Amino acid sequence: GAGVSQSPSNKVTEKGKDVELRCDPISGHTALYWYRQRLGQGLEFLIYFQGNSAPDKSGLPSDRFSAERTGESVSTLTIQRTQQEDSAVYLCASSQYVTDTQYFGPGTRLTVL
Amino acid sequence: GNSVTQMEGPVTLSEEAFLTINCTYTATGYPSLFWYVQYPGEGLQLLLKATKADDKGSNKGFEATYRKETTSFHLEKGSVQVSDSAVYFCALSKRSGGSNYKLTFGKGTLLTVNP
Repeated sequence: GAGVSQSPSNKVTEKGKDVELRCDPISGHTALYWYRQRLGQGLEFLIYFQGNSAPDKSGLPSDRFSAERTGESVSTLTIQRTQQEDSAVYLCASSQYVTDTQYFGPGTRLTVL
Repeated sequence: GNSVTQMEGPVTLSEEAFLTINCTYTATGYPSLFWYVQYPGEGLQLLLKATKADDKGSNKGFEATYRKETTSFHLEKGSVQVSDSAVYFCALSKRSGGSNYKLTFGKGTLLTVNP
């Protein structure tokens, strides 16, 4: 079937604006992860969803970042009052329940001016 | 906490040269180890993995062996091609909090292969 998809592929916004990034996981994958890739850095874990369990938000860098997921489907990552240091590629990954192999989407490149 | 250290790039090789990209990790217990690859303009793809000590992961001519004694997972290929030009990421996964297998990544190594 289709892989993980993300939208938009690119987003340019002004400092202080809110942005929403979307992720569609692979059908049947119950686990969903968000990561951030800043220039010259490795990927940083942000948040993890598994079914209807409480998400693991331990990687969110500030309270301006939040994410939602409805059941085992689409997830939205929201960044409020964006700052220039939020500029990065935001990657979503999904996996089957209780497995360690994650499949990544193409990412959303966010640029905050 | 968990961490991954991989060879700083960029790495530039001629076609058919031998490739090694070093990767070492710090983690308690027995993490799973991965190499991911990001080709120009594309998303991150799983290249290979190993889940326990002495396991060898292999794919597309690339190999890496899980060495617990040296906490390493070095990536090797005997003869690189121009099409192998990409950024390579070493990563580990260790279950935390139920079924969370969040990945910890190295910073990535840019490989350029010239004809």
